[in-house]
Amino acid sequence: QVLLQESGPGLVKPSETLSLTCTVSGGSISSSYWSWIRQPPGKGLEWIGYIYYSGSTNYNLSLQSRVTISVDTSKNQFSLKVNSVTAADTAVYYCARYDSSGFYAFDIWDQGTMVTVSS
Amino acid sequence: DNQMTQSPSSLSASVGDRVTITCRASQSISTYLNWYQLKPGKAPKLLIYAASSLQRGVPSRFSGSGSGTDFTLTISSLQPEDFATYYCQQSYSTPPYTFGQGTKLEIK
Repeated sequence: QVLLQESGPGLVKPSETLSLTCTVSGGSISSSYWSWIRQPPGKGLEWIGYIYYSGSTNYNLSLQSRVTISVDTSKNQFSLKVNSVTAADTAVYYCARYDSSGFYAFDIWDQGTMVTVSS
Repeated sequence: DNQMTQSPSSLSASVGDRVTITCRASQSISTYLNWYQLKPGKAPKLLIYAASSLQRGVPSRFSGSGSGTDFTLTISSLQPEDFATYYCQQSYSTPPYTFGQGTKLEIK
């Protein structure tokens, strides 16, 4: 059973960089697409981007200039960086697996991490 | 981007009720439509994929239908654990993979 576990700070100062890591256990990261999704307080879900284990990425155009997603296959981890954060980046951040082999859906999620941008 | 519009945004219902949530895409997405259940502090759960396929382990009281631009999620007989927020999401063609704005299902 594949499980995802996030790690990273819950508080980031404005203008700094938000960094989160998602560790994949119970399976290999060397398949599927791995995504980041966020939910600001009181709002809906927003897809941030994905990475394939090979390193190819695709980002939401609304965030593309500030976002980097990377993968470390040796550690079975993928990571998110968001630069120059503002209060608008305050959200619950989820990592998720996007199954492209049949479901074409986010079939596995972690429980999310609340990240607050505040001084 | 393909915009997804859910209705209603909130819904009050009782245990045992039949509930339907609708999702409309701004462009045709064939059957590339998924439904998720979100509860605070828990991992979101995939309920329905490809518009009408029930994810393994999801109770059969959940069902989905539709194609093209109009889709529905139906819960045939609400159980206490079903009170949550539900989102549709399209995965047609290239990203971004857009979500609906959510439907909060509350106890009447």
